Amino acid sequence: DAKTTQPPSMDCAEGRAANLPCNHSTISGNEYVYWYRQIHSQGPQYIIHGLKNNETNEMASLIITEDRKSSTLILPHATLRDTAVYYCIVRVAPYGGSQGNLIFGKGTKLSVKP
Amino acid sequence: DGGITQSPKYLFRKEGQNVTLSCEQNLNHDAMYWYRQDPGQGLRLIYYSQIVNDFQKGDIAEGYSVSREKKESFPLTVTSAQKNPTAFYLCASSTTPQGIQYFGAGTRLSVL
Repeated sequence: DAKTTQPPSMDCAEGRAANLPCNHSTISGNEYVYWYRQIHSQGPQYIIHGLKNNETNEMASLIITEDRKSSTLILPHATLRDTAVYYCIVRVAPYGGSQGNLIFGKGTKLSVKP
Repeated sequence: DGGITQSPKYLFRKEGQNVTLSCEQNLNHDAMYWYRQDPGQGLRLIYYSQIVNDFQKGDIAEGYSVSREKKESFPLTVTSAQKNPTAFYLCASSTTPQGIQYFGAGTRLSVL
């Protein structure tokens, strides 16, 4: 089973920031938080990942709470093309030992509206 | 351009028939994966391979088979033993088993 909890759906106005929450209260100390998104009928796309520090890249920002039990993905200026299902995933990333597969839950369907 | 190519985009299977889905990557990645996605659901792991000539079963391997004879290629065969094969199949690869996974565009399989 997925180790994360996400709201099933969210709406966001075009041009506004989209803040997608994720609860991972049972996360272990060596588990990272990954975010992927899947636009309808396409393969998932990697967005960002982090361990405990906040992370930012050209696509998004990831804010992880100090106790690491929850996180928020922020799309700073959402566009219509950001409409997709967003998946929050926790997984171990030490070298060796883990099979490495991602466990996808049902994610959050984000609808960006004009 | 580097990437993962899945073919065909759409595939139809007759009852009792085996079909093979192709996955090729030119990213020089060691690890490759096959996932299945049913409507409105997340992805479930079928098989994965960490290195050439080696692969392991995932959570739902029954009715499927794979091979990994070349680093670039990881074909998935849906056998007649898979009684409910209609789904969206996704292939992924990563530099190492713990690396970021990159996905292909998927193959949608339907039963005639």
